[in-house]
Amino acid sequence: SSELTQDPAVSVALGQTVRITCQGDSLRSYYASWYQQKPGQAPVLVIYGKNNRPSGIPDRFSGSSSGNTASLTITGAQAEDEADYYCNSRDSSGNPVFGGGTKLTVL
Amino acid sequence: QVQLQESGPGLVKPSQTLSLTCTVSGGSISSGSYYWSWIRQPAGKGLEWIGRIYTSGSTNYNPSLKSRVTISVDTSKNQFSLKLSSVTAADTAVYYCARGGRSSDFYFDYWGQGTLVTVSS
Repeated sequence: SSELTQDPAVSVALGQTVRITCQGDSLRSYYASWYQQKPGQAPVLVIYGKNNRPSGIPDRFSGSSSGNTASLTITGAQAEDEADYYCNSRDSSGNPVFGGGTKLTVL
Repeated sequence: QVQLQESGPGLVKPSQTLSLTCTVSGGSISSGSYYWSWIRQPAGKGLEWIGRIYTSGSTNYNPSLKSRVTISVDTSKNQFSLKLSSVTAADTAVYYCARGGRSSDFYFDYWGQGTLVTVSS
């Protein structure tokens, strides 16, 4: 089992705000990165570090952290945001590890 | 723009060795600011980190796969490779190569498109 825990599924109404969370001990000391994956496609980095967005990622995506929980917030969710989202940080050995993923449905 | 492209056989027989290569273009694999990883995803499941290599040749592997995995780098060809031995059906997955940032906060900023490897006789 992953050392990072995510809710399997989350839904949001079109245009509303949704928060996707990731829990793990390493998140007390390190920031998570977040990936969006659409069916049949490779994951795409959307948030890394404290709250950094790669070029081309809309500013409706933001990241935050509190205690052992990292969050990815989508403010004003769009239909094209429907996807699987994965968090990434380190495990107890210092190796990369991914959360189990959250399937986001935009209603 | 950095691009990564996986290549290798799409079908491997059980007990044999899976071999994949990732070719990096648009940037040097020798950049000390990054490391290079393999990540896989079985159909309908999540992402699993397999291992990484630095251009110094130093490697780290997922403990659950460590006894079967070897990652190597060829800086002259701007490529890195994965070998996974003694494969079983459980190793059937889409295999991705990715670039990781050398930061205390992990991230993978560029990914290959992925290649499906099926283990079957």
